[in-house]
Amino acid sequence: GENVEQHPSTLSVQEGDSAVIKCTYSDSASNYFPWYKQELGKRPQLIIDIRSNVGEKKDQRIAVTLNKTAKHFSLHITETQPEDSAVYFCAASTPFGYFNNDMRFGAGTRLTVKP
Amino acid sequence: NAGVTQTPKFQVLKTGQSMTLQCAQDMNHNSMYWYRQDPGMGLRLIYYSASEGTTDKGEVPNGYNVSRLNKREFSLRLESAAPSQTSVYFCASSEGGTYYEQYFGPGTRLTVT
Repeated sequence: GENVEQHPSTLSVQEGDSAVIKCTYSDSASNYFPWYKQELGKRPQLIIDIRSNVGEKKDQRIAVTLNKTAKHFSLHITETQPEDSAVYFCAASTPFGYFNNDMRFGAGTRLTVKP
Repeated sequence: NAGVTQTPKFQVLKTGQSMTLQCAQDMNHNSMYWYRQDPGMGLRLIYYSASEGTTDKGEVPNGYNVSRLNKREFSLRLESAAPSQTSVYFCASSEGGTYYEQYFGPGTRLTVT
């Protein structure tokens, strides 16, 4: 099955700096790559996603890039703020059958933004 | 809309006891999922139900069973709990298919002693 690796496991930045989290995947059939944010004690929530036919997607301070050839994708957060502190998970989804998909998550990155 | 709800929020079991985790969604979603979250291991899929009437094993199904009771409800059962099943359990739902967001419930923190 799909294997998703995520780096780094922890990341500490100063407020206003940029943060980059990288993920690699193994299955070339994977075609959907969401990113989830999980604040302490809360549920994971989708913050941005990208499909395999797109190389980059932006939403205000957040962007995701995808390199299908190298099988890696990255989350970029610019002008970080203390409220960006959370655990971020990448995921890769592989379709199979008519209506099914196999989504595998990375192990997570704990981002701390220091004021 | 409540979204995805789970009960209970917390549970402590002794080894060998059984219990059922309940999950319900009010978004008319086709697909529902059960994940476990352990420190340093992300979210791992236990079982999923692509549509009402179907269930399939995920990455870590051993020791668990599921029931898709109807379109709204998807329960997870531990028949004989083991300490290795100590974890936080999340239920999620989505429209189904590849490109749809998964919406997560608030989680159940389970401790098996």
